[in-house]
Amino acid sequence: GAGVSQSPRYKVAKRGQDVALRCDPISGHVSLFWYQQALGQGPEFLTYFQNEAQLDKSGLPSDRFFAERPEGSVSTLKIQRTQQEDSAVYLCASSPGMGQGVYGYTFGSGTRLTVV
Amino acid sequence: AQRVTQPEKLLSVFKGAPVELKCNYSYSGSPELFWYVQYSRQRLQLLLRHISRESIKGFTADLNKGETSFHLKKPFAQEEDSAMYYCALDSGAGSYQLTFGKGTKLSVIP
Repeated sequence: GAGVSQSPRYKVAKRGQDVALRCDPISGHVSLFWYQQALGQGPEFLTYFQNEAQLDKSGLPSDRFFAERPEGSVSTLKIQRTQQEDSAVYLCASSPGMGQGVYGYTFGSGTRLTVV
Repeated sequence: AQRVTQPEKLLSVFKGAPVELKCNYSYSGSPELFWYVQYSRQRLQLLLRHISRESIKGFTADLNKGETSFHLKKPFAQEEDSAMYYCALDSGAGSYQLTFGKGTKLSVIP
């Protein structure tokens, strides 16, 4: 595709429900990031993949959060037993190599998760 | 730990007036600094980075290591500059993650 695609665009989950958020990066992009953006805040780092390897997951807030990128392309962020504080926009970003390169990261439109 | 501070949540200026969006950072090493912009109903995108020393859409930003600042400036604001601006830091420690500020919403009044 032409850009980073994220689905669903909006997700409403009942507290305690499990959710899965999908990111389809630009084909061939090596680096893939997940960020969490709460209302009125800047994006906060969650995790980083280089191809299929998850090199940094230091930003995942709890063991309820899990991310994978099994074939080095599509990535899924899973949140188990959702809580109200998980309500946020989840952004995916990718780049052709390691780091931002000349053009910075390409961000997706995000998935807005609302936990009720 | 690194931190990025953008003291203004909202900045309103008249068209043609100068703009300065403030950004201060806290990091003991030699970080890379960036400005990202999000226009209405668009995705977050890179505006400029300090190492390229470019002027993009008339915006410039100078890294001041003594003051740990990376303020974004434009001499004459245009209506199309209205957007959300985020300052971001890459610590260069190898994980390539960005630490973002909370953002400043720039509103250019016609």
